[in-house]
Order: sequence, then C-alpha cells, then structure tokens
Amino acid sequence: GAGVSQSPSNKVTEKGKDVELRCDPISGHTALYWYRQSLGQGLEFLIYFQGNSAPDKSGLPSDRFSAERTGGSVSTLTIQRTQQEDSAVYLCASSLRGGSYEQYFGPGTRLTVT
Amino acid sequence: AQSVSQHNHHVILSEAASLELGCNYSYGGTVNLFWYVQYPGQHLQLLLKYFSGDPLVKGIKGFEAEFIKSKFSFNLRKPSVQWSDTAEYFCAVMRGYQKVTFGTGTKLQVIP
Repeated sequence: GAGVSQSPSNKVTEKGKDVELRCDPISGHTALYWYRQSLGQGLEFLIYFQGNSAPDKSGLPSDRFSAERTGGSVSTLTIQRTQQEDSAVYLCASSLRGGSYEQYFGPGTRLTVT
Repeated sequence: AQSVSQHNHHVILSEAASLELGCNYSYGGTVNLFWYVQYPGQHLQLLLKYFSGDPLVKGIKGFEAEFIKSKFSFNLRKPSVQWSDTAEYFCAVMRGYQKVTFGTGTKLQVIP
C-alpha cells in the first residue's frame, strides 16, 4: 500500500515568505508527527496529532510555526515569515495509533530559505 | 528536559566486525524505546523497539538491543556487520504516547 507522502519534495523560498508543507499519512493511521532535521542535528520533534487534535505543541520552535490536520488525514505545516535558520528537512511520520506503534516516515521536504 | 544521547557520531568498521552503538536517555519514568535506520537515499525505518517484556529485543537484519533500566541505556548491537549496514542510526525515546525525542544519530560506514 501507499506510504507516507510529503509535498513538495524540495522548496526554495526567500526570507520573509510563508511556506506550506503537506503530509499525507498512511490511510487509517490516527497519529501523525512532524519533525525537523537540520544539518548536523538529530530529529527535532515539532508536533503530534491524534486525530485532528494536537495534544502537544511544545516542540514548535516559534509562533511563526503552525500546523493543522483535517479529516483525521492530511496535515499542513505552515511557516510564516521564513528565516534562514528554518532551512532543514521537515519529516512527517504516521502511526496506527500513538504510543508504541511503529512510526512510518515520509521522504521529507527539504526547505531552503535564501 | 528529556534528552537522548548517542555517544558515537561516526563509526567506521570493516565487514564482519562487531557493532555496538550507545544510547542513553535522561527520563526516569516509563518509556518506549526505538532504533531507526536511514539507509542512503531512503526513508527512516524502524529497526526494533522496546515497550515491555524481555529487555533484549531482536530486530530486522540481525540487529538487537538491550534495555538496561538501571543505566538508562538502550544500546544497539550486531555481531557481524555487512557493507549493506552502512547507514545512519537513530535512537528514540517516547513517553506519554506523544512526544518522541531522537538522538543526534550515528553514521556507520562499513568498509568491504
């Protein structure tokens, strides 16, 4: 079956512009996670959705970052007024439920802010 | 704050050598523990996980990990590595069924 998909695969944007990153989880997976992987860093947890609600938003680095999930499926991560330090690979993962269930990762979106 | 430490950032081994990658975490409560692998050009994928029961966990491709609660460790091992094991390995800790903290990763290079 189809895995987690993310779009776009690459995004180059100018500093100050807004960007939207999309994640399509595996059908039937209720949990969805966003991570950021910067050069030389590990995976940084951003936000977690259970269904359409986000119990934990503590990982979002600033109020320029927001995320939503609709219909218990597609999720969008929005970064407003992008900064150069936002450049990273943004990874999405989904799992059947939260907890000990395996997370399936998408290919990521490579964001470059110039 | 919860943290996950992977002490080896870059490991180079010859084929057939034994592998042990360290992972320590700081959280003292109940945790779920994972090792993920990212082969060159591929997605992150699960190698193995621990959430209860036998602290020695076996995963895919001959990997295993041992959860030592007293040491807050979950080290990854493989008795004999192959060139195809060249990849980046990430330890991860989940608590509360929500937040997942990953280590910074260990790049393994296996020389034929």
